Amino acid sequence: DAKTTQPTSMDCAEGRAANLPCNHSTISGNEYVYWYRQIHSQGPQYIIHGLKNNETNEMASLIITEDRKSSTLILPHATLRDTAVYYCIVRAVYNQGGKLIFGQGTELSVKP
Amino acid sequence: GAVVSQHPSRVICKSGTSVKIECRSLDFQATTMFWYRQFPKQSLMLMATSNEGSKATYEQGVEKDKFLINHASLTLSTLTVTSAHPEDSSFYICSATRQGARITEAFFGQGTRLTVV
Repeated sequence: DAKTTQPTSMDCAEGRAANLPCNHSTISGNEYVYWYRQIHSQGPQYIIHGLKNNETNEMASLIITEDRKSSTLILPHATLRDTAVYYCIVRAVYNQGGKLIFGQGTELSVKP
Repeated sequence: GAVVSQHPSRVICKSGTSVKIECRSLDFQATTMFWYRQFPKQSLMLMATSNEGSKATYEQGVEKDKFLINHASLTLSTLTVTSAHPEDSSFYICSATRQGARITEAFFGQGTRLTVV
């Protein structure tokens, strides 16, 4: 699976959009981009995933660049409860039954 | 969404004893389950892949005789930390993938905080 690079930490004001970038320049054609987050002392929570089109669900939007070498997770109206570590993971969908290799992620702090 | 439950959520044990952690998929059958370990301020590290009815596959550097994994049914996997030592104190997390899903999505348990004293 391709390697990802994320900023170590970011701050965001409550109520504003949080834009979390991820670089995956070595991504291959059959690899999806997944985003998970981990609130302190809890298990990771699935947020969203995509292949090449932009995706949106009730939690977030995922914007993938046309060359697929990077993506941005957008939390449109961040709340204090969105404070967590956000992981961007690239994985071939049908490989290894769902095994996820976590990088260091981005620690997002949402401030009042 | 699918629910994965871990038990216990916290456990304290004496050095030299064994501890069993359970991971259950509550509303789906899980072909595969994964066990992760997370030390403070660090990311999740994959320990092993657990497949129902077969032996677990361990990641490099993980002692299979120390971390015993059993996946006896499509809804239950267990991790037993044998002869625990203080350095085994960590946050252990399991995940499960839904059998037959077109796109495999991993669902995580809430984690088990193990403290060895």
